[in-house]
Amino acid sequence: AQSVTQPDIHITVSEGASLELRCNYSYGATPYLFWYVQSPGQGLQLLLKYFSGDTLVQGIKGFEAEFKRSQSSFNLRKPSVHWSDAAEYFCAVGALTGGGNKLTFGTGTQLKVEL
Amino acid sequence: ETGVTQSPTHLIKTRGQQVTLRCSSQSGHNTVSWYQQALGQGPQFIFQYYREEENGRGNFPPRFSGLQFPNYSSELNVNALELDDSALYLCASTLDLDSGNEQYFGPGTRLTVT
Repeated sequence: AQSVTQPDIHITVSEGASLELRCNYSYGATPYLFWYVQSPGQGLQLLLKYFSGDTLVQGIKGFEAEFKRSQSSFNLRKPSVHWSDAAEYFCAVGALTGGGNKLTFGTGTQLKVEL
Repeated sequence: ETGVTQSPTHLIKTRGQQVTLRCSSQSGHNTVSWYQQALGQGPQFIFQYYREEENGRGNFPPRFSGLQFPNYSSELNVNALELDDSALYLCASTLDLDSGNEQYFGPGTRLTVT
């Protein structure tokens, strides 16, 4: 069964600083990997996804993520954080298995941005 | 093109009662998944419906059940509510079963069980 670990529960960065959110996954085959963002009281919005090919993936709002198979990681990065980026970020792995096309999420990282 | 919508937005129920949550999928999407997000946790997969048939289920008891209608909208039913059922329930629709396809999430229904 697949699993996702997000080791940082909370992260605080200053506006304009760079950001890296960590994600490690466990899956027996090549995974489909996603990063979602959730603002308070809202649903989930997809930031970016990795299926195959180039291991550096570009997403919306200036985010990017790098897939590293050897480290089973899919870390999310942004060169310069804006105050509006404060939200909760979820990494997820997708799998089409006998149990359906489901996403398995990590527990999330809460990002706080200091002005 | 409308996105995924869910109703109601908030709901308060008493332990032992039954609840029905509704979801309208994005236009053209035939697959709907339901997730439960407890406070401080990531969403957990409940089940998925594809063309009106259940196509997979997570680790949830049978008192969690669902339906998908010919227009691909969906319902989540929970019987014999327990306090631990208090959570945000998210519905997501996707174009089909290909796991590479993005799941589009609705805003969720916040269920409180007292």
